[in-house]
Amino acid sequence: AQSVTQLGSHVSVSEGALVLLRCNYSSSVPPYLFWYVQYPNQGLQLLLKYTSAATLVKGINGFEAEFKKSETSFHLTKPSAHMSDAAEYFCAVSGRNAGNMLTFGGGTRLMVKP
Amino acid sequence: DAGVTQSPTHLIKTRGQQVTLRCSPKSGHDTVSWYQQALGQGPQFIFQYYEEEERQRGNFPDRFSGHQFPNYSSELNVNALLLGDSALYLCASSPRGTGGAPPNTGELFFGEGSRLTVL
Repeated sequence: AQSVTQLGSHVSVSEGALVLLRCNYSSSVPPYLFWYVQYPNQGLQLLLKYTSAATLVKGINGFEAEFKKSETSFHLTKPSAHMSDAAEYFCAVSGRNAGNMLTFGGGTRLMVKP
Repeated sequence: DAGVTQSPTHLIKTRGQQVTLRCSPKSGHDTVSWYQQALGQGPQFIFQYYEEEERQRGNFPDRFSGHQFPNYSSELNVNALLLGDSALYLCASSPRGTGGAPPNTGELFFGEGSRLTVL
């Protein structure tokens, strides 16, 4: 069975500061990994995905994540936070033959202070 | 190009009642998945439909059932509602690759959800 743990249900940063959202996964085989973002009153939107190509993955809006197999981690980063980044972020994992069935973490709410 | 649309956006039911939620997938998509998102939690997979059949199912009781129509739209039905069924129900669509199951790209397009409150 696969699972995802997101450390920190709430993260607060100042505008312009580094954003780091943590995600650790548990999987018996190398998984596919994803980050989704959910803005208030909107559906989830795919930020980026790891599917066994480059371990450093770049996504939309300046976000990137690095797959580290030895640490079973897939942390999300952005060098400089913007007010518009305030949202809920979800890490998700999928088995390689899971046909797009995703297991999500509990989410991290990012708050950006002016 | 219309994205994933869901209806109703909000509804209130009482325990024991039944509810039907509806979803129209993004244009060009033929696979629909349903997720339940309880307050303060991540979405949980309920089931997935393509070719008008349930293809995968998560850990949800038989009270949760679904249907997919020839135009690829889908319904989620929940019978004998419990207080714990209160949640945001998300529909997600994706295209199906050649040869059967959806490609495992993880790129799901989500609707804004139907928020169900059970009193």
